[in-house]
Amino acid sequence: GAVVSQHPSWVICKSGTSVKIECRSLDFQATTMFWYRQFPKQSLMLMATSNEGSKATYEQGVEKDKFLINHASLTLSTLTVTSAHPEDSSFYICSARHRGEYYEQYFGPGTRLTVT
Amino acid sequence: KQEVTQIPAALSVPEGENLVLNCSFTDSAIYNLQWFRQDPGKGLTSLLLIQSSQREQTSGRLNASLDKSSGRSTLYIAASQPGDSATYLCAVRNNFNKFYFGSGTKLNVKP
Repeated sequence: GAVVSQHPSWVICKSGTSVKIECRSLDFQATTMFWYRQFPKQSLMLMATSNEGSKATYEQGVEKDKFLINHASLTLSTLTVTSAHPEDSSFYICSARHRGEYYEQYFGPGTRLTVT
Repeated sequence: KQEVTQIPAALSVPEGENLVLNCSFTDSAIYNLQWFRQDPGKGLTSLLLIQSSQREQTSGRLNASLDKSSGRSTLYIAASQPGDSATYLCAVRNNFNKFYFGSGTKLNVKP
């Protein structure tokens, strides 16, 4: 149980285009989902926290207009990278908090984004 | 702001050797500390979780210790195997359910 999936697992897009990444909790309801970014040989950095039905809370330094987060249901959150640039190339990982388990987070397998 | 540091950044050992990975954090007000494994291009696999009130946790060949007052944790791997090769991440969680990750230790166990 407690499986989180991400789609796609990898994506290549051209500079200036937008790309959407999905994060799904497959067998539980997630009231909160977290989005992380990981640059090569660096650690995961929290980008934003999304709560179902409300606006996401972004960490300092993360552009909310560039990284659009939608958490429309208890099992799905999406991250849209708008007007992507090569510097947005990174590994994006989501995690989901099980409803009723405040301190449990389950991580997705990640999405590799390459912007050419 | 919480800062998490892992030493060494990379480690290469022969198979069968025991090894220790180190993690330090600057703010001792943590809820828990967790060790993860990350294989290349993959997500995170949770290895061990230590609550702030605990001193250590063990799972098979893995043992993690926590000294909250000094801001340190160690991950001990006994009798290392080539399959242990991966990047090991240490993460502390604060009372607001935010994770702060270290930059990881890349382990290579040579056959």
